Amino acid sequence: DGGITQSPKYLFRKEGQNVTLSCEQNLNHDAMYWYRQDPGQGLRLIYYSQIVNDFQKGDIAEGYSVSREKKESFPLTVTSAQKNPTAFYLCASSSGYVYSNNEQFFGPGTRLTVL
Amino acid sequence: AQKITQTQPGMFVQEKEAVTLDCTYDTSDPSYGLFWYKQPSSGEMIFLIYQGSYDQQNATEGRYSLNFQKARKSANLVISASQLGDSAMYFCAMRRLTGNQFYFGTGTSLTVIP
Repeated sequence: DGGITQSPKYLFRKEGQNVTLSCEQNLNHDAMYWYRQDPGQGLRLIYYSQIVNDFQKGDIAEGYSVSREKKESFPLTVTSAQKNPTAFYLCASSSGYVYSNNEQFFGPGTRLTVL
Repeated sequence: AQKITQTQPGMFVQEKEAVTLDCTYDTSDPSYGLFWYKQPSSGEMIFLIYQGSYDQQNATEGRYSLNFQKARKSANLVISASQLGDSAMYFCAMRRLTGNQFYFGTGTSLTVIP
């Protein structure tokens, strides 16, 4: 089945540690996104990538880094510089580059807790 | 700047009744797309319905319909014949057609009462 996978589903991290969240899609989508969601809040864009080897900062990129070496993969690293990393992280993808009405498809999310 | 506003933090509806979830947007682009997503307590985001800015008719998908009023910049979601399984967070989103960025509202929590 085509879709987006995120791993792990739950992640615990000690303060000061970097951690990488995985996101893989087999939908052949060009664009991929990372969002952060805090309890009772909407989605805030961290980073997005429209094509391989290219990505742009979203609204809350500080303390995060990404790479896009393959079309299928868009890992997110939460660095120790991120002051309050405990949150629910959602990865998404969409097809098309310009003039596209296609919706975003989302992964199941990773719940990160900093101990 | 693009902005999505959902003014109802929480809504209650009786089972089998219809409910309208409000969404207004702000953009200067002539072309854009509007989306509604459902997020159950499990956290997954489920796509419900789409409306293009140039679509002449309101979008419908089963029990979901979108009340699109372009002049008012509103895109309200109407859920007919509510079911207990409709209890979830609902997010309105907008996508500019000249880019790949989506903009989300803060969501509305819907509770269906038996």
